[in-house]
Amino acid sequence: AQSVAQPEDQVNVAEGNPLTVKCTYSVSGNPYLFWYVQYPNRGLQFLLKYITGDNLVKGSYGFEAEFNKSQTSFHLKKPSALVSDSALYFCAVRDGSNYQLIWGAGTKLIIKP
Amino acid sequence: ETGVTQTPRHLVMGMTNKKSLKCEQHLGHNAMYWYKQSAKKPLELMFVYSLEERVENNSVPSRFSPECPNSSHLFLHLHTLQPEDSALYLCASSQESQGGYGYTFGSGTRLTVV
Repeated sequence: AQSVAQPEDQVNVAEGNPLTVKCTYSVSGNPYLFWYVQYPNRGLQFLLKYITGDNLVKGSYGFEAEFNKSQTSFHLKKPSALVSDSALYFCAVRDGSNYQLIWGAGTKLIIKP
Repeated sequence: ETGVTQTPRHLVMGMTNKKSLKCEQHLGHNAMYWYKQSAKKPLELMFVYSLEERVENNSVPSRFSPECPNSSHLFLHLHTLQPEDSALYLCASSQESQGGYGYTFGSGTRLTVV
């Protein structure tokens, strides 16, 4: 069965430090992988995606994610966190034969000044 | 503006009321979705419409009734709701044939059932 796991409910990082939000997945075919961010009382906003090609993908607001096929992971990273990065982050996966996204449970990211 | 507009942004309704949530997308997408987001729970997919036909209904109670009159509009009709139905309801759209483009979400309707 297809699934996405975000093992951390919450991640706390000091402003200026690097951050990582973890995501692992399980799909039957080649994965399409996505990260979305949600600010309070708002919808989800697209951050970045991996379809094919370079394993390191860059997205909005200075975020990047690394696709690791052997570890079936797609961790979200940023070299230097900002307080404004505090939000809820969702990882999602879609296999090539199905247009529907499978969502992780979300990780709350808190950046402290 | 994300291209997907949801109205109203906030809704308070009694358990005996009937109301509707509206979603409109201006992106030319051919699939639309309703999600329920409750505090401290994963996103729950409620309904999927593809080319205006309902293709998925994830065991949603009948007090929720979706309607997709055309590819740009999606409604969620609500009646005799329960307090546990209070949540953020999110609409999203996508282009089926373009699997790599993910979803575009609206800002959601915050529903409170009293």
